[in-house]
Amino acid sequence: AQSVTQLDSQVPVFEEAPVELRCNYSSSVSVYLFWYVQYPNQGLQLLLKYLSGSTLVKGINGFEAEFNKSQTSFHLRKPSVHISDTAEYFCAVTAGANNLFFGTGTRLTVIP
Amino acid sequence: GAGVSQSPRYKVAKRGQDVALRCDPISGHVSLFWYQQALGQGPEFLTYFQNEAQLDKSGLPSDRFFAERPEGSVSTLKIQRTQQEDSAVYLCASTSGQGHSGNTIYFGEGSWLTVV
Repeated sequence: AQSVTQLDSQVPVFEEAPVELRCNYSSSVSVYLFWYVQYPNQGLQLLLKYLSGSTLVKGINGFEAEFNKSQTSFHLRKPSVHISDTAEYFCAVTAGANNLFFGTGTRLTVIP
Repeated sequence: GAGVSQSPRYKVAKRGQDVALRCDPISGHVSLFWYQQALGQGPEFLTYFQNEAQLDKSGLPSDRFFAERPEGSVSTLKIQRTQQEDSAVYLCASTSGQGHSGNTIYFGEGSWLTVV
Protein backbone atom coordinates (compact mmCIF):
# COMPACT_ATOMS: atom_id res chain seq x y z
CA ALA A 1 0.00 0.00 0.00
CA GLN A 2 0.94 3.62 -0.30
CA SER A 3 1.00 6.39 2.28
CA VAL A 4 1.53 10.12 2.40
CA THR A 5 3.06 12.34 5.05
CA GLN A 6 2.42 16.06 5.12
CA LEU A 7 4.90 17.35 7.63
CA ASP A 8 3.30 20.71 8.31
CA SER A 9 -0.25 20.88 9.63
CA GLN A 10 -0.34 24.68 9.43
CA VAL A 11 1.65 27.14 7.36
CA PRO A 12 1.17 30.88 7.85
CA VAL A 13 2.71 33.12 5.21
CA PHE A 14 2.50 36.78 4.34
CA GLU A 15 0.76 37.89 1.18
CA GLU A 16 3.05 37.98 -1.89
CA ALA A 17 5.66 35.80 -0.14
CA PRO A 18 6.66 32.41 -1.56
CA VAL A 19 5.41 29.20 0.00
CA GLU A 20 6.33 25.53 -0.03
CA LEU A 21 4.04 22.82 1.30
CA ARG A 22 5.85 19.56 1.92
CA CYS A 23 4.72 16.08 0.96
CA ASN A 24 6.55 12.79 1.26
CA TYR A 25 5.17 9.49 0.11
CA SER A 26 5.89 5.83 0.67
CA SER A 27 5.42 3.16 -1.98
CA SER A 28 7.14 0.07 -3.27
CA VAL A 29 5.82 0.62 -6.79
CA SER A 30 5.55 3.49 -9.23
CA VAL A 31 2.92 6.01 -8.27
CA TYR A 32 0.82 8.87 -9.44
CA LEU A 33 0.87 11.95 -7.22
CA PHE A 34 -1.69 14.69 -6.75
CA TRP A 35 -2.28 17.92 -4.90
CA TYR A 36 -5.82 18.94 -4.05
CA VAL A 37 -7.11 22.18 -2.50
CA GLN A 38 -10.16 22.39 -0.28
CA TYR A 39 -11.77 25.74 0.41
CA PRO A 40 -14.07 26.07 3.42
CA ASN A 41 -17.30 24.11 3.01
CA GLN A 42 -16.33 22.98 -0.46
CA GLY A 43 -15.17 19.77 -2.07
CA LEU A 44 -11.68 18.93 -3.20
CA GLN A 45 -10.35 20.59 -6.34
CA LEU A 46 -7.40 19.22 -8.28
CA LEU A 47 -4.43 21.61 -8.37
CA LEU A 48 -2.01 19.42 -10.29
CA LYS A 49 -0.91 15.86 -10.85
CA TYR A 50 2.21 13.90 -11.72
CA LEU A 51 1.75 10.83 -13.87
CA SER A 52 5.05 10.48 -15.70
CA GLY A 53 7.55 12.49 -17.72
CA SER A 54 8.81 15.87 -16.60
CA THR A 55 9.30 15.99 -12.86
CA LEU A 56 8.21 19.63 -12.66
CA VAL A 57 4.46 19.88 -12.88
CA LYS A 58 2.55 23.10 -13.27
CA GLY A 59 -1.01 23.43 -12.07
CA ILE A 60 -3.76 25.96 -11.68
CA ASN A 61 -3.58 29.23 -9.76
CA GLY A 62 0.19 29.52 -10.27
CA PHE A 63 1.09 26.43 -8.23
CA GLU A 64 3.76 23.94 -9.22
CA ALA A 65 5.24 20.80 -7.72
CA GLU A 66 8.37 18.79 -8.27
CA PHE A 67 8.50 15.02 -8.16
CA ASN A 68 11.70 13.78 -6.55
CA LYS A 69 11.92 10.01 -6.71
CA SER A 70 15.14 9.68 -4.72
CA GLN A 71 13.68 11.70 -1.85
CA THR A 72 10.15 10.34 -2.35
CA SER A 73 8.82 13.87 -2.22
CA PHE A 74 6.29 15.94 -4.11
CA HIS A 75 6.47 19.41 -2.59
CA LEU A 76 4.03 22.11 -3.69
CA ARG A 77 5.28 25.63 -4.33
CA LYS A 78 4.02 29.04 -5.30
CA PRO A 79 6.32 32.05 -5.78
CA SER A 80 3.83 34.65 -4.55
CA VAL A 81 0.68 33.83 -2.60
CA HIS A 82 -2.60 35.72 -2.49
CA ILE A 83 -5.22 36.01 0.20
CA SER A 84 -7.44 33.79 -1.91
CA ASP A 85 -4.95 30.92 -1.55
CA THR A 86 -5.97 30.47 2.08
CA ALA A 87 -7.30 26.90 2.19
CA GLU A 88 -6.49 23.32 3.16
CA TYR A 89 -4.12 21.49 0.83
CA PHE A 90 -3.96 17.72 0.50
CA CYS A 91 -1.29 15.60 -1.10
CA ALA A 92 -2.43 12.21 -2.42
CA VAL A 93 -0.86 9.13 -3.97
CA THR A 94 -2.07 6.12 -5.89
CA ALA A 95 -0.48 3.22 -7.70
CA GLY A 96 -3.34 3.30 -10.18
CA ALA A 97 -5.66 1.22 -8.08
CA ASN A 98 -9.15 1.98 -6.91
CA ASN A 99 -8.29 4.43 -4.17
CA LEU A 100 -6.27 7.50 -3.40
CA PHE A 101 -4.28 7.72 -0.19
CA PHE A 102 -4.42 11.24 1.24
CA GLY A 103 -2.22 13.03 3.70
CA THR A 104 -3.69 14.74 6.73
CA GLY A 105 -3.58 18.12 5.05
CA THR A 106 -1.79 21.44 5.45
CA ARG A 107 -3.74 24.55 6.31
CA LEU A 108 -2.26 27.49 4.44
CA THR A 109 -3.14 30.87 5.91
CA VAL A 110 -2.14 33.95 3.95
CA ILE A 111 -1.67 36.98 6.16
CA PRO A 112 -2.41 40.42 4.68
CA GLY B 1 -25.40 19.55 -13.61
CA ALA B 2 -21.83 20.42 -14.37
CA GLY B 3 -20.29 18.85 -11.31
CA VAL B 4 -20.73 16.07 -8.78
CA SER B 5 -23.80 16.78 -6.70
CA GLN B 6 -24.36 15.43 -3.20
CA SER B 7 -27.39 15.57 -0.93
CA PRO B 8 -28.14 16.33 1.75
CA ARG B 9 -25.33 18.78 2.35
CA TYR B 10 -25.89 18.61 6.10
CA LYS B 11 -27.49 15.87 8.14
CA VAL B 12 -27.91 15.57 11.90
CA ALA B 13 -28.88 12.07 13.00
CA LYS B 14 -29.65 10.67 16.40
CA ARG B 15 -27.50 7.75 17.44
CA GLY B 16 -29.08 4.56 16.16
CA GLN B 17 -30.85 6.24 13.25
CA ASP B 18 -30.33 5.10 9.66
CA VAL B 19 -29.14 7.65 7.09
CA ALA B 20 -28.87 7.69 3.30
CA LEU B 21 -26.54 9.96 1.40
CA ARG B 22 -26.98 10.53 -2.31
CA CYS B 23 -24.43 11.21 -5.01
CA ASP B 24 -25.13 12.38 -8.55
CA PRO B 25 -21.89 11.98 -10.52
CA ILE B 26 -21.00 13.87 -13.64
CA SER B 27 -23.08 12.52 -16.50
CA GLY B 28 -21.39 9.66 -18.31
CA HIS B 29 -18.71 9.09 -15.70
CA VAL B 30 -17.93 5.41 -15.37
CA SER B 31 -16.15 5.41 -12.03
CA LEU B 32 -17.60 6.56 -8.73
CA PHE B 33 -15.90 6.69 -5.37
CA TRP B 34 -16.97 7.35 -1.79
CA TYR B 35 -14.57 8.79 0.77
CA GLN B 36 -14.97 9.58 4.47
CA GLN B 37 -13.26 12.66 5.89
CA ALA B 38 -13.17 12.99 9.66
CA LEU B 39 -12.55 16.38 11.23
CA GLY B 40 -8.95 17.44 10.79
CA GLN B 41 -8.07 14.43 8.65
CA GLY B 42 -7.60 13.68 5.00
CA PRO B 43 -10.23 11.74 3.09
CA GLU B 44 -10.18 7.96 3.47
CA PHE B 45 -11.39 5.57 0.81
CA LEU B 46 -14.64 3.72 1.39
CA THR B 47 -15.74 2.11 -1.85
CA TYR B 48 -15.46 2.17 -5.65
CA PHE B 49 -17.97 1.50 -8.43
CA GLN B 50 -17.33 0.94 -12.10
CA ASN B 51 -20.72 1.50 -13.68
CA GLU B 52 -23.12 -0.49 -11.49
CA ALA B 53 -20.51 -2.95 -10.24
CA GLN B 54 -19.05 -2.39 -6.80
CA LEU B 55 -15.47 -3.48 -7.47
CA ASP B 56 -13.93 -2.50 -4.17
CA LYS B 57 -15.55 -2.06 -0.78
CA SER B 58 -12.46 -2.67 1.28
CA GLY B 59 -12.69 0.72 2.99
CA LEU B 60 -16.15 0.35 4.45
CA PRO B 61 -15.54 0.44 8.21
CA SER B 62 -18.27 -2.00 9.24
CA ASP B 63 -21.25 -3.93 7.97
CA ARG B 64 -23.42 -0.97 8.97
CA PHE B 65 -22.15 0.77 5.85
CA PHE B 66 -23.67 -0.13 2.51
CA ALA B 67 -23.37 1.50 -0.91
CA GLU B 68 -25.16 0.91 -4.17
CA ARG B 69 -25.29 2.25 -7.72
CA PRO B 70 -28.01 0.15 -9.31
CA GLU B 71 -28.20 1.84 -12.72
CA GLY B 72 -24.62 2.93 -13.02
CA SER B 73 -25.28 6.61 -12.37
CA VAL B 74 -26.67 7.83 -9.03
CA SER B 75 -25.18 6.22 -5.94
CA THR B 76 -26.43 5.99 -2.38
CA LEU B 77 -24.34 5.43 0.72
CA LYS B 78 -26.40 4.06 3.56
CA ILE B 79 -25.33 3.94 7.18
CA GLN B 80 -27.40 1.84 9.52
CA ARG B 81 -27.67 2.36 13.28
CA THR B 82 -25.41 5.41 13.20
CA GLN B 83 -22.78 5.85 15.89
CA GLN B 84 -20.99 8.99 17.00
CA GLU B 85 -17.79 7.85 15.32
CA ASP B 86 -19.64 8.00 11.99
CA SER B 87 -19.67 11.80 12.23
CA ALA B 88 -17.69 13.00 9.23
CA VAL B 89 -17.92 14.52 5.79
CA TYR B 90 -18.76 11.93 3.16
CA LEU B 91 -17.28 12.83 -0.21
CA CYS B 92 -18.35 11.41 -3.53
CA ALA B 93 -16.12 11.59 -6.59
CA SER B 94 -16.37 10.50 -10.19
CA THR B 95 -14.20 10.16 -13.26
CA SER B 96 -14.65 9.22 -16.88
CA GLY B 97 -11.98 6.54 -16.84
CA GLN B 98 -11.46 3.42 -14.82
CA GLY B 99 -10.20 3.73 -11.29
CA HIS B 100 -7.55 6.22 -10.31
CA SER B 101 -5.29 5.47 -13.28
CA GLY B 102 -4.21 9.03 -13.79
CA ASN B 103 -7.67 10.34 -14.62
CA THR B 104 -8.83 13.61 -13.14
CA ILE B 105 -11.17 12.85 -10.28
CA TYR B 106 -13.97 15.32 -9.62
CA PHE B 107 -15.21 15.63 -6.05
CA GLY B 108 -18.56 16.77 -4.77
CA GLU B 109 -18.93 19.25 -1.93
CA GLY B 110 -19.67 16.47 0.52
CA SER B 111 -22.41 15.50 2.92
CA TRP B 112 -21.68 16.60 6.48
CA LEU B 113 -23.02 14.02 8.91
CA THR B 114 -23.24 14.73 12.62
CA VAL B 115 -24.45 11.96 14.91
CA VAL B 116 -25.73 13.16 18.28
